Amino acid sequence: DIQMTQSPSSLSASVGDRVSITCRASRSISTYLHWYQQKPGKAPKLLIYAASILQSGVPSRFSGSGSGTDFTLTISSLQPEDFATYYCQQSYSTPPITFGQGTRLEIK
Amino acid sequence: EVQLVQSGAEAKKPGEPLKISCKGSGYSFNNYWIAWVRQMPGKGLEWMGIIYPGDSDTRYSPSFQGQVSISADKSISTAYLQWSSLQASDTAMYFCARPSVLYSSDPPFDYWGQGTLVTVS
Repeated sequence: DIQMTQSPSSLSASVGDRVSITCRASRSISTYLHWYQQKPGKAPKLLIYAASILQSGVPSRFSGSGSGTDFTLTISSLQPEDFATYYCQQSYSTPPITFGQGTRLEIK
Repeated sequence: EVQLVQSGAEAKKPGEPLKISCKGSGYSFNNYWIAWVRQMPGKGLEWMGIIYPGDSDTRYSPSFQGQVSISADKSISTAYLQWSSLQASDTAMYFCARPSVLYSSDPPFDYWGQGTLVTVS
């Protein structure tokens, strides 16, 4: 199985900050990497797929980059509604589909 | 509008059976795989398995193989996740989700159900 490791596990930031979350795969996954946002008690929401393609309707302050084993989700200017938990997910080698452990983004 | 609507919260005792559901609408249910994802309290997302309603082809994560059963009834556009004997460790939120690409079992998952909370105690 491909293991996905996110860093940091949690992050405190302020509205307007630029933040980045990293996801590392245990082996190369090309760009078969997707990012989700989850708010408490809600289903995950797809933000970015194929490492860098913004899902329809997602604000342009979200961006993704990377290929191979190292990936980054960047939020250019944090908004109050962005405080949530973020997960990466790989689809290069399935089954099983694997997720990162999540990064909790909190208000400073 | 694409929707996945899951059955309501369940409170069960250890050893009891359970079947929860996920009803799709607004798209060709038979031609999109449906996945199940577990989220234990305060924890991350775990992919359990996936089914193609068109022919009931099913794939399981090794972690869940033999522990749950996934099925679908295409006549009513509904997928199911089933336990024959629940354990306290099955307490979790369970989500169904749909891959974005027709006929593909792979992520990304662009539509999700609202989740079904299962409590076993």
